[in-house]
Amino acid sequence: DAKTTQPTSMDCAEGRAANLPCNHSTISGNEYVYWYRQIHSQGPQYIIHGLKNNETNEMASLIITEDRKSSTLILPHATLRDTAVYYCIVRVLRNFGNEKLTFGTGTRLTIIP
Amino acid sequence: DGGITQSPKYLFRKEGQNVTLSCEQNLNHDAMYWYRQDPGQGLRLIYYSQIVNDFQKGDIAEGYSVSREKKESFPLTVTSAQKNPTAFYLCASSTRMTLYGYTFGSGTRLTVV
Repeated sequence: DAKTTQPTSMDCAEGRAANLPCNHSTISGNEYVYWYRQIHSQGPQYIIHGLKNNETNEMASLIITEDRKSSTLILPHATLRDTAVYYCIVRVLRNFGNEKLTFGTGTRLTIIP
Repeated sequence: DGGITQSPKYLFRKEGQNVTLSCEQNLNHDAMYWYRQDPGQGLRLIYYSQIVNDFQKGDIAEGYSVSREKKESFPLTVTSAQKNPTAFYLCASSTRMTLYGYTFGSGTRLTVV
């Protein structure tokens, strides 16, 4: 699976949009982009995923560049509860191959009151 | 409600003792995983299991053992051979061909004194 690069930390004012970038320049055509977040001392929580098109759900939006070498997770109206570590992961969707996700150190997002 | 349960939340053990961490899921997921997280670090894969009675080593399996006798359960034993066992341990599960990634438990924080 392709590796990802994320900033170590970011701050965002409460109520503003939080834009978290992720670089995955070696992504393959069959690899999806996934985002998870981990609130302190809890297990990671799935947020959103995408392949080529931009995606939106009740939690966030995912913008993937046309060349798929980078993406941005957008939290449209950040709240204090969005303070967490955000992980960007790319993976191939396999049917029972050596299926495993690799989590890097992610981006520590702090929402400022 | 379906979910994945890890117990206990906090665990203290003396050095040299084996300890078993519990992970149970009622999501009917085929695959289960154990990760370790150290402070300020990402998640590292210890063991994973795709089906009952079968499991594979992850990236840091030394000093750990697992079993998968039932679909719902994937206990992790931290043995005395693990040189630095103090860490946050996370269990996860997923379906066979999941688009939505993993479901994580809330973790067990193990402290060896």
